[in-house]
Amino acid sequence: ILNVEQSPQSLHVQEGDSTNFTCSFPSSNFYALHWYRWETAKSPEALFVMTLNGDEKKKGRISATLNTKEGYSYLYIKGSQPEDSATYLCAPNAGGTSYGKLTFGQGTILTVHP
Amino acid sequence: EAQVTQNPRYLITVTGKKLTVTCSQNMNHEYMSWYRQDPGLGLRQIYYSMNVEVTDKGDVPEGYKVSRKEKRNFPLILESPSPNQTSLYFCASRRSLYEKLFFGSGTQLSVL
Repeated sequence: ILNVEQSPQSLHVQEGDSTNFTCSFPSSNFYALHWYRWETAKSPEALFVMTLNGDEKKKGRISATLNTKEGYSYLYIKGSQPEDSATYLCAPNAGGTSYGKLTFGQGTILTVHP
Repeated sequence: EAQVTQNPRYLITVTGKKLTVTCSQNMNHEYMSWYRQDPGLGLRQIYYSMNVEVTDKGDVPEGYKVSRKEKRNFPLILESPSPNQTSLYFCASRRSLYEKLFFGSGTQLSVL
């Protein structure tokens, strides 16, 4: 089982603050890295899928970077809003014979206070 | 509307009574998978399928079976459910390994 670590486990910020989370994963046998946003009582929704070392993706106020050589990805939220409150999940997709496996981290729970 | 449809949304059953959770996608995706969500353990992959008649184990396959006879359907079968299979289950699909997962709305299963 792939060891995926996300930090911090939870985060409380004030509206307007910028914040970032980390996803660490084994750098060997890497195929792709997914980020998902999961609101309470809903299903996870994709934010980004990243494959190349040095890749940067952006969607509105949310952006992500990827370092496949050292095995980490950062997710940034600029100017957090209460509607950004959710659990943010990362999931590396292994390569080789396990390329169908997508292993999720336990997530970072973000709460944005008005 | 492009979607992944899971049924039922809620299910309460008793130990040992066989059950099937259905999953269907209308996006012609090749890849489908099942996950369970437990507090403190995150989303864990049960089984996945790369295409029709091609399935493989995820990280927690014990006690589950799957089949992929048609591209659109990927049912999850619990032959003899036990209380430790009480969980929230998600089905998901994607077009290819480089693309994002689309999740179903989830099935909350309670095994008494």
